[in-house]
Amino acid sequence: GAVVSQHPSRVICKSGTSVKIECRSLDFQATTMFWYRQFPKQSLMLMATSNEGSKATYEQGVEKDKFLINHASLTLSTLTVTSAHPEDSSFYICSAGAVRRDDTQYFGPGTRLTVL
Amino acid sequence: AQSVTQLGSHVSVSEGALVLLRCNYSSSVPPYLFWYVQYPNQGLQLLLKYTSAATLVKGINGFEAEFKKSETSFHLTKPSAHMSDAAEYFCALRGGGSNYKLTFGKGTLLTVNP
Repeated sequence: GAVVSQHPSRVICKSGTSVKIECRSLDFQATTMFWYRQFPKQSLMLMATSNEGSKATYEQGVEKDKFLINHASLTLSTLTVTSAHPEDSSFYICSAGAVRRDDTQYFGPGTRLTVL
Repeated sequence: AQSVTQLGSHVSVSEGALVLLRCNYSSSVPPYLFWYVQYPNQGLQLLLKYTSAATLVKGINGFEAEFKKSETSFHLTKPSAHMSDAAEYFCALRGGGSNYKLTFGKGTLLTVNP
């Protein structure tokens, strides 16, 4: 149990386009989902926290108009990188947690975004 | 404020040797502590967690960790390293309440030499 999927696993896009990444909890209902960004050989940087049905809470320094997060259901959250630029190229990882399940975040496999 | 310090960004051991990855934390509330492993180009996989029950926690793949409040530590150990253990390891801290937000250490890269 506690499987989280992400789609796509890898995406290449042109500068100026928008990219949507999906995060799904496959076998549990996730009351809270998180989006992280990871630069090469570095730790995870939390971008935002989203609770189902509520607006996401963004970390300081993260542009909410650029990184749109939607948590429409208890099993799906999406991150849309709008007007992507090469500096947005990174590894994006989502995680999910559920109060009624346990005290743990379960992570997706990540999405490698490359902006040309 | 919460923080996690992983001592040693890179640890190298021989196959069959003891693995010891160090993690110290700072928290104003009783912490929940986690160790995650990350293989190249993959997400994080939970190895084990401490949530205020037994202080010696056993995880997957033969790993275990001991919570020591007096030392504010949660070091990860494995008696005998295997080549497949080579990966990045992250220690993470979660404060109390229903907020799942994690504070991560900077990670330790474990290499295993044949």
